[in-house]
Amino acid sequence: AQSVAQPEDQVNVAEGNPLTVKCTYSVSGNPYLFWYVQYPNRGLQFLLKYITGDNLVKGSYGFEAEFNKSQTSFHLKKPSALVSDSALYFCAVRDDSNYQLIWGAGTKLIIKP
Amino acid sequence: EPEVTQTPSHQVTQMGQEVILRCVPISNHLYFYWYRQILGQKVEFLVSFYNNEISEKSEIFDDQFSVERPDGSNFTLKIRSTKLEDSAMYFCASETSGGAGVTDTQYFGPGTRLTVL
Repeated sequence: AQSVAQPEDQVNVAEGNPLTVKCTYSVSGNPYLFWYVQYPNRGLQFLLKYITGDNLVKGSYGFEAEFNKSQTSFHLKKPSALVSDSALYFCAVRDDSNYQLIWGAGTKLIIKP
Repeated sequence: EPEVTQTPSHQVTQMGQEVILRCVPISNHLYFYWYRQILGQKVEFLVSFYNNEISEKSEIFDDQFSVERPDGSNFTLKIRSTKLEDSAMYFCASETSGGAGVTDTQYFGPGTRLTVL
């Protein structure tokens, strides 16, 4: 069965420090991986995706994610966190055989000034 | 930049009543989706829709649920007889091509918060 795990409910980072939000996945076919962000009372906003090719994917607002096939991971990173990055971050996966996205539980990212 | 829009933003209804949640997908998109997020829980897939047909649905999407694209722009989710456990945020999404093996991106609307009393 397909699944996504985000092992941390919350990540706290000081402004200016690098941040990492973890995601691991399990799919039967080729994985297509996505990160979305949700600000309070807002919808799910697409950040970036991995389809194929370069394992390091760059996305919106300075975020990037690294695909690691052997560890079945797709961690979200940013070199220097901003207070405005504080939000709920969701990792999602789909494979060749499904239309739907399978979602992780979400990680609350708190950036402290 | 084109966006998915949803109305209403918040719907309060009595248990047993019918509700219709409305979505306007991005205009050149062909695949449409409904997801829901119960407070504090994961986002869950409900249904996908293409070419006026349901292409995939989850176990949640039982006979109480239906979807329709009544015209060229709207995409609706109907819940015939709401239950307390239907209270959730409902998200509509659309993508250009979608489908198995396709690597497109689903773009989401802001959601409709449904409260069933």
